[in-house]
Amino acid sequence: QIQLVQSGPELKKPGESVKISCKASGYTFTDYAMHWVKQAPGKGLKWMGWINTYTGKPTYADDFKGRFVFSLEASASTANLQISNLKNEDTATYFCARVRGRSFFDYWGQGVMVTVSS
Amino acid sequence: EIVLTQSPTTIAASPGEKVTITCRASSSVSYMYWYQQKPGASPKPWIYDTSKLASGVPNRFSGSGSGTSYSLTINTMETEDAATYYCQQWSSTLTFGSGTKLEIK
Repeated sequence: QIQLVQSGPELKKPGESVKISCKASGYTFTDYAMHWVKQAPGKGLKWMGWINTYTGKPTYADDFKGRFVFSLEASASTANLQISNLKNEDTATYFCARVRGRSFFDYWGQGVMVTVSS
Repeated sequence: EIVLTQSPTTIAASPGEKVTITCRASSSVSYMYWYQQKPGASPKPWIYDTSKLASGVPNRFSGSGSGTSYSLTINTMETEDAATYYCQQWSSTLTFGSGTKLEIK
């Protein structure tokens, strides 16, 4: 069955970096783009951007340009999100999600809680 | 960027009641997508291409709309439907609505 399994929760200090992973299984990884979505505590969903899993080309939403990097380990069917120079406002759950068709997120990872606190 | 405005923000419904959640776009979009999220869980795919139910979604749910106005309707509310529902579009850039929290009365 199709699964997106993300790495575990992270506790970081401001200024540090974090890398979270999203391992896909049950389908051909390079056939579907992978998106990233942020959800701050008690807040709604915010789209961060996506990565073309065939070419490796990332596209970032305006609010996520600069400190955020999407990458792949295609041989391991894994997409990664790295956030550098962490700020308190980066405290959130980060989801990876596969897109099907025009723009429908048909599978989601379980989410990774990143807490940034001094 | 197209802004999606959901209404109401919160709604309480009794079992058996009909519920409608509206999503208005700041500019015309071709399709709308909906997700259901319960506390502590990932969003679940719910409705795609405006009116098609995702796998496993009960047929008491329906989606409709066009242009700038879309809606999700529950024909007869059940307790398991209590959740937050988000609409989503991808025109020039992808955006989500701010969510509608549906509670049981």
